Amino acid sequence: AQSVSQHNHHVILSEAASLELGCNYSYGGTVNLFWYVQYPGQHLQLLLKYFSGDPLVKGIKGFEAEFIKSKFSFNLRKPSVQWSDTAEYFCAVNIVSGNTPLVFGKGTRLSVIA
Amino acid sequence: SQTIHQWPATLVQPVGSPLSLECTVEGTSNPNLYWYRQAAGRGLQLLFYSVGIGQISSEVPQNLSASRPQDRQFILSSKKLLLSDSGFYLCAWSRDSPGEQYFGPGTRLTVT
Repeated sequence: AQSVSQHNHHVILSEAASLELGCNYSYGGTVNLFWYVQYPGQHLQLLLKYFSGDPLVKGIKGFEAEFIKSKFSFNLRKPSVQWSDTAEYFCAVNIVSGNTPLVFGKGTRLSVIA
Repeated sequence: SQTIHQWPATLVQPVGSPLSLECTVEGTSNPNLYWYRQAAGRGLQLLFYSVGIGQISSEVPQNLSASRPQDRQFILSSKKLLLSDSGFYLCAWSRDSPGEQYFGPGTRLTVT
């Protein structure tokens, strides 16, 4: 069965610091990859997604992620975080063939301090 | 545009009581529907998903069941709640093909 690993449980950064959150998945076939964000008290919402094409994808609010197939990774990055980026971030994967649900990682809580 | 509703938003129930959480989607037809439970530090655990009316796949054997009586309605139930059923329950939908899922606001269930 496919699984998703997020390496950091809780990350604390100062404003303007750079961010990289790790995500690795275990599945050898073709996958769709996602990052979701949950701001305090809000719905889970999509940050960015990769289906095919350019492995560097850009999402909302200055986030980007790079798909490295050889490493089974889809790390999330932002060059300069803001206090408003404080949230929980979830990496998710599903298999392209068939109606398969998303499999989520355990999430990374990001706290940005002024 | 599509919207997804969940109710109730919060619920406090005693151990042994029944449960019914409802999820409805508007603005689309024949969606795939999902129930997840979110626990702190444990991410989102898929409980059930459905690709059509009356078609339910269970991912984790437990004290819960799901039903899809109508195309855009998904219900999560239990006959007798356990303390361990406490948590945050999220409903989601997606279009036919595998891809992005859209999440509802969630229901916070506390079993006392």
